[in-house]
Parts: sequence; structure tokens; C-alpha cells
Amino acid sequence: QKEVEQNSGPLSVPEGAIASLNCTYSDRGSQSFFWYRQYSGKSPELIMSIYSNGDKEDGRFTAQLNKASQYVSLLIRDSQPSDSATYLCAVNSGSGGYNKLIFGAGTRLAVHP
Amino acid sequence: AAGVIQSPRHLIKEKRETATLKCYPIPRHDTVYWYQQGPGQDPQFLISFYEKMQSDKGSIPDRFSAQQFSDYHSELNMSSLELGDSALYFCASSFGGKLAKNIQYFGAGTRLSVL
Repeated sequence: QKEVEQNSGPLSVPEGAIASLNCTYSDRGSQSFFWYRQYSGKSPELIMSIYSNGDKEDGRFTAQLNKASQYVSLLIRDSQPSDSATYLCAVNSGSGGYNKLIFGAGTRLAVHP
Repeated sequence: AAGVIQSPRHLIKEKRETATLKCYPIPRHDTVYWYQQGPGQDPQFLISFYEKMQSDKGSIPDRFSAQQFSDYHSELNMSSLELGDSALYFCASSFGGKLAKNIQYFGAGTRLSVL
């Protein structure tokens, strides 16, 4: 079992809809959680970071964290075709120190006009 | 704002050759991380440096070595290259050392092709 699990998709949503991406992690000691967006052949781009239980909103993006359930999600409102990319859930290693990131396999999102 | 700079962007090598990848972190960032991303895979952590000292080590082959220099730039040296080393290599940097909330910013990556 991977330490960070994501649905690989593709997740297909119409333009203007809400896209919901989910992630579970195994290390209960993890403290920091990130969502990165990656276009094909490009580098991961930070979308959201979240550290406490609850919701965190930034523009069209909302991250949700539930440490008891070891669950992180990302909601994208008013989805645009330019949001079509792979979304990587990343968790800090939880072992302290210099927090390497453990990535999920990524969810491919396709927003169609 | 300045970002993480990686060079070269593309590199083509033959089997058994050596390669050196360079990374220049965001100014004032003290930690550098190297990740390898194979085709269709998620980034895998290789190694990291904090204040010029190795801080963590992941699934890095013994054929690879890395260091961080006094100006905080880092180099990943890869020897006896194999076909399976063909991948995107990303460098990321962060500020704050041991703080668990460090946010890592990624460079554009080096695409290594081993023929």
C-alpha cells in the first residue's frame, strides 16, 4: 500500500462545475499537506497547503483536512479547461527534520467545455 | 520573484556515461531537495541538504551522489548511467530547515534521456 493514495482518474467534469479530488495518507504523524498541480512534462506547482483540520480557501480552491480520518481533499470551483492537469497530493514525511514530500500517484483532471 | 533554477533543461547521454545536474535554490532558501519522476509516475524523493549538510536520503542509487555548495547551489552527479535513469529530475528548495511547515518550490526540471 502506498503511503499516499489518490484516485488516478481521469476525473472528467464540465466547464463551470466543481471538481473534487481526494487523498488518503497512512502516516498519522504527518503535519503538513500540499496539493500540487502538474501539467504534462512540467514541474509541480503549489496550489494549496493545509496544516490544521478543517477547510482552507484560496480563490476557486478549497482544501479540506481531516487528520482523524487521514484524509485530504481539494475542491476546485468553477472549473476551467486550463485546470486540466494532474493534481498531486503530497504529505510531509512526518518523521521530523527536513520534511521530504511523499507524493500520491496523482489524479488526472479533464475539464471539458 | 526568483524561482528555482535548474540546468541543463535537457540532457542526452549514452549508457555508462556520467551526468551532472545543477540546481540554484530561491535566494535565502536553506534546504534543497532532489526528486526523480519517471514516465507516468509520481516524484520520488532522492536526497536533501540543509545548510550544506545531507539532511535526508531516499531511494537514491549508489551510482548517484550529490552535494550542496557554500553558495547553496546543489549538484546531482550520476555515474554509470542506465536506461532506467531516463526521467525528469526536479530540484526543490525551501526555507526554515526543521520546520514541518516548509513549503517546497520546484524548479522546471532536467529531462535526462539515456540512450
